Amino acid sequence: DTEVTQTPKHLVMGMTNKKSLKCEQHMGHRAMYWYKQKAKKPPELMFVYSYEKLSINESVPSRFSPECPNSSLLNLHLHALQPEDSALYLCASGPREGNQPQHFGDGTRLSIL
Amino acid sequence: KQEVTQIPAALSVPEGENLVLNCSFTDSAIYNLQWFRQDPGKGLTSLLLIQSSQREQTSGRLNASLDKSSGRSTLYIAASQPGDSATYLCAAHNTDKLIFGTGTRLQVFP
Repeated sequence: DTEVTQTPKHLVMGMTNKKSLKCEQHMGHRAMYWYKQKAKKPPELMFVYSYEKLSINESVPSRFSPECPNSSLLNLHLHALQPEDSALYLCASGPREGNQPQHFGDGTRLSIL
Repeated sequence: KQEVTQIPAALSVPEGENLVLNCSFTDSAIYNLQWFRQDPGKGLTSLLLIQSSQREQTSGRLNASLDKSSGRSTLYIAASQPGDSATYLCAAHNTDKLIFGTGTRLQVFP
């Protein structure tokens, strides 16, 4: 079983909907990450949180809004998404930002109608 | 800008063969290199992490090596099994980011 838990596993939403992806870890890690992965492509970094503060935003469109309420939780709020945003969204955590091993969740498969 | 490539893109072998998966990176100033396994529709499972000061790491039938000077890492899988079928990704840690390779899709048939 993965130590990083993501919910929901699957999400289908319309372009006008608002939804949120959730990620939780209880390993005491202080860095958390969101990645986007399209089919047959490697994951691409979206956001990095370090000690609950946003440290990296890889020029992600504002329709994706991350939130880190505490050191164990990471959310990704979605609004007015486009069909090309359909992908597997992966959360990861690490002891701290930088050259530390990252542990990944199983992802949320998102489909935009 | 770091670029990571993996060769071959796909590999199909009979059970029992020993395999070598290759990973190349353009910027040798990495902190470490991590190998992952990804099953279809699933997340990433970390297999091995090699620190920049190390030359290799071993875990069971897996052995990963790192040659920073040449910008290469290899993942050696001994006595492959059908359960090893998956996509294998290498990722280079540069400062604060993981840069992923393009992946090798491995199929091991009985």
